[in-house]
Amino acid sequence: QVKLQQSGAELVKPGASVKLSCKTSGYTFSTSYMSWFKQIPGQSIEWIGMIYAGDGGTGYNQKFKGKATLTVDTSSSTAYMDLSSLTTEDSAVYFCATGTTNFFAYWGQGTLVTVSS
Amino acid sequence: DTVLTQSPALAVSPGERVSISCRASEGVNSYMHWYQQKPGQQPKLLIYKASNLASGVPARFSGSGSGTDFTLTIDPVEADDTATYFCQQSWNDPFTFGSGTKLEIK
Repeated sequence: QVKLQQSGAELVKPGASVKLSCKTSGYTFSTSYMSWFKQIPGQSIEWIGMIYAGDGGTGYNQKFKGKATLTVDTSSSTAYMDLSSLTTEDSAVYFCATGTTNFFAYWGQGTLVTVSS
Repeated sequence: DTVLTQSPALAVSPGERVSISCRASEGVNSYMHWYQQKPGQQPKLLIYKASNLASGVPARFSGSGSGTDFTLTIDPVEADDTATYFCQQSWNDPFTFGSGTKLEIK
């Protein structure tokens, strides 16, 4: 079955960067799309962007351009998201999800990122 | 960005029918999808492209609508349906989500 296993919680200092991972199994990663999302607990969900594992092509929500960078490693069927120049406003749970280019049937369990000095 | 407006909260009794609405600030064709999220969990896809039931989702859930007005219906409601329900559109860039409707089962 399809599984998306995300990396563990992160506590990072303001101004730092963090790299989150999403290891997949149970489907053909190399021809799939992966999206990433941000959710502040108790609030709605924001779409950050999407990457096509076949060629690394990306599409970003304009709001997150310069903040998030999406990459993949097809040899390990893992997707990554780099978040840079972190501020307290970046504190949130981040999800990876796959399915189609429009809707998302499979989600990771989420990674909590806390930005604090 | 396309704003999706949902009512904040609803409370119903088990066995009743509940409709959760989502209104888009601009047309999204039929590219509206619905998710259920329970506290501390990831979202779960319920309905895709307005009216298609996702795999493994009980037939108690259904969706309707097109253009700017969409509805998720649960009939009959069960205690386990306590959750927050989000709509999401993928017709306009960027993809956006509604603010969520918190469903309480009395």
